Amino acid sequence: DAKTTQPPSMDCAEGRAANLPCNHSTISGNEYVYWYRQIHSQGPQYIIHGLKNNETNEMASLIITEDRKSSTLILPHATLRDTAVYYCIVSFQAGTALIFGKGTTLSVSS
Amino acid sequence: GAVVSQHPSRVICKSGTSVKIECRSLDFQATTMFWYRQFPKQSLMLMATSNEGSKATYEQGVEKDKFLINHASLTLSTLTVTSAHPEDSSFYICSARDPAVGDTGELFFGEGSRLTVL
Repeated sequence: DAKTTQPPSMDCAEGRAANLPCNHSTISGNEYVYWYRQIHSQGPQYIIHGLKNNETNEMASLIITEDRKSSTLILPHATLRDTAVYYCIVSFQAGTALIFGKGTTLSVSS
Repeated sequence: GAVVSQHPSRVICKSGTSVKIECRSLDFQATTMFWYRQFPKQSLMLMATSNEGSKATYEQGVEKDKFLINHASLTLSTLTVTSAHPEDSSFYICSARDPAVGDTGELFFGEGSRLTVL
């Protein structure tokens, strides 16, 4: 079973920041938090991952709470193309498969 | 990032026939690949872990004799759905990790293969 809890759906206006929460209260000390997204009928796309520190890349920012029990993915300026299912996954590093939960369906509208 | 490619992207077959789906890592060598299945409006479910040069490891509930996995080289894994039936219709997705980018744990996914069994 997935170790994360995400809201099933969220809406966001185009140009606004999309903040997607994820609860992972049972995360262990050496598990990473990964975020992927899946646009309809495509394979999942990697977004970002982190262990303890906040992370930022060209796609998004990842904010992990100090106790690591939750995190937030931030898309700073959402566009219509960001409409997708977003998956938050906790997993050990290399060598293991990723187990997907139900994710959050983000709908960006103009 | 690394590229994982699947072929075919769509396939339609008659019930009782077998279908092969290929998964290739185009610019890196993958000792391990993962196969997932996704039914409409559901999440991805891990089917099996494909290891180069050895037998695949199947998840509980996945029939190894029905879903044959071969990982004969470091860049190619194949999934064969044998004696396909309509209930096998699904979106099949493979993934792999590029060891050259470091021990990040990031998985690269193929585009997926949509199987429709009539």
